Amino acid sequence: DSGVTQTPKHLITATGQRVTLRCSPRSGDLSVYWYQQSLDQGLQFLIQYYNGEERAKGNILERFSAQQFPDLHSELNLSSLELGDSALYFCASSHTERNLGQPDTEAFFGQGTRLTVV
Amino acid sequence: AQKVTQAQTEISVVEKEDVTLDCVYETRDTTYYLFWYKQPPSGELVFLIRRNSFDEQNEISGRYSWNFQKSTSSFNFTITASQVVDSAVYFCALSEANTGTASKLTFGTGTRLQVTL
Repeated sequence: DSGVTQTPKHLITATGQRVTLRCSPRSGDLSVYWYQQSLDQGLQFLIQYYNGEERAKGNILERFSAQQFPDLHSELNLSSLELGDSALYFCASSHTERNLGQPDTEAFFGQGTRLTVV
Repeated sequence: AQKVTQAQTEISVVEKEDVTLDCVYETRDTTYYLFWYKQPPSGELVFLIRRNSFDEQNEISGRYSWNFQKSTSSFNFTITASQVVDSAVYFCALSEANTGTASKLTFGTGTRLQVTL
């Protein structure tokens, strides 16, 4: 058990709909990362939040957005869903990074949310 | 841009065989981090190892060992005396220090390891 909790584990929804994926990081971790794993794109970094602020952005679609709340949990919002958005969405967390480029530790991943768009 | 190549899509071995998973990376940065993660059939991503670019020492952890060679930009992973429980997809990943976070990972496409009795 990595200590990162993601809910729900599975989600089935229709095209055009909007869903929210939730992530609770490990206790004490200030950074939260979202990754998408799909058959055609593989594992891709989407976005990172650090203590409530957006820190880094990857290949995240404009239809997707994320936020990190004061209690450090994070939500990934996916809207106007398309069939191609079906994927496994991972959240990961890591310890505070005291200096840029000098991470304290590696990222630990949650079990993922499997999203199926029908 | 950084890139990770895992040329082996799938490997099948018989239990107790040794197996090496290859990983080749590309980066322009002089400071970077390399990782291996395991994804068993249950789907979660399990951290195995992190190595920074200044540390070329090979590492052994039980039946697992890693060979980091900067000269060939490779970070290969060997499982000795493989077991059925090692069956999983293994991902190599890279992170550049100048991104401000070593946990913004670029993953390879993964190698599926099948260990049979």
